[in-house]
Amino acid sequence: GQNIDQPTEMTATEGAIVQINCTYQTSGFNGLFWYQQHAGEAPTFLSYNVLDGLEEKGRFSSFLSRSKGYSYLLLKELQMKDSASYLCAVMDSNYQLIWGAGTKLIIKP
Amino acid sequence: NAGVTQTPKFRVLKTGQSMTLLCAQDMNHEYMYWYRQDPGMGLRLIHYSVGEGTTAKGEVPDGYNVSRLKKQNFLLGLESAAPSQTSVYFCASTGEGVTGELFFGEGSRLTVL
Repeated sequence: GQNIDQPTEMTATEGAIVQINCTYQTSGFNGLFWYQQHAGEAPTFLSYNVLDGLEEKGRFSSFLSRSKGYSYLLLKELQMKDSASYLCAVMDSNYQLIWGAGTKLIIKP
Repeated sequence: NAGVTQTPKFRVLKTGQSMTLLCAQDMNHEYMYWYRQDPGMGLRLIHYSVGEGTTAKGEVPDGYNVSRLKKQNFLLGLESAAPSQTSVYFCASTGEGVTGELFFGEGSRLTVL
C-alpha cells in the first residue's frame, strides 16, 4: 500500500529552527508537496520538490531524497504565526496525490 | 480575488437527507477536486475533474456524486447522508497541470446526525 509518515505533533520555541520530517512509500513518484494549514482554515501551498536537494524560499526550505523516500521541511526564525499543521503529500505514478495526516507544530514564546 | 469559494460553510443534516456542496473558482482552472478531511487522517480524494464535462472517482467515492457542467463550478452531492460522512470537505483547483499548486476553498463542515 501507499504510505506517508510524518510526526503527529512537534513543539518549538519562537525564534528557533524546526525540521519536520516526512517519509513515503508510494507507487512511483512525480513530486512531493508541502502545505501549511492553520486551524480551521484551508491548506496553502508551501513547496514542491521533484529533484533531490534543497529548495529554499525565505524562512522555509524543503529537502528531498528520492532514494531514501524522505523529505523534510525546515522552518527558520520561527514566529508565532507559524503555529499550524504542515501536510506532506506525494504524487504517485498515476498523478494522484497521497497525503500524510499532517504535523501539528506548536510554537511557544 | 475570490479564488475558490465553497458554499455552504456549515451544514447539519439528518441521516438519509440529501444535499449539494457547491465549489466555484474564478481562475479559469481546468482541474478541480473534492477532498474530505477527518481527524488523524490525510486528505482523501473523493472525486475530481480534469475539465468541463468530465468527472472521475478518487479514493473514497462511495456515497457521493459530482458534476462539472461549467468549467468554473464543481458540485458534490450526497444523495442519502450517513453519519460516516460527517467531515470537513475541501474543494481545490489547479491550472498548471496535475503537478501544479492546489488552491483550496475555505472548507465546508458537514455534520450528519
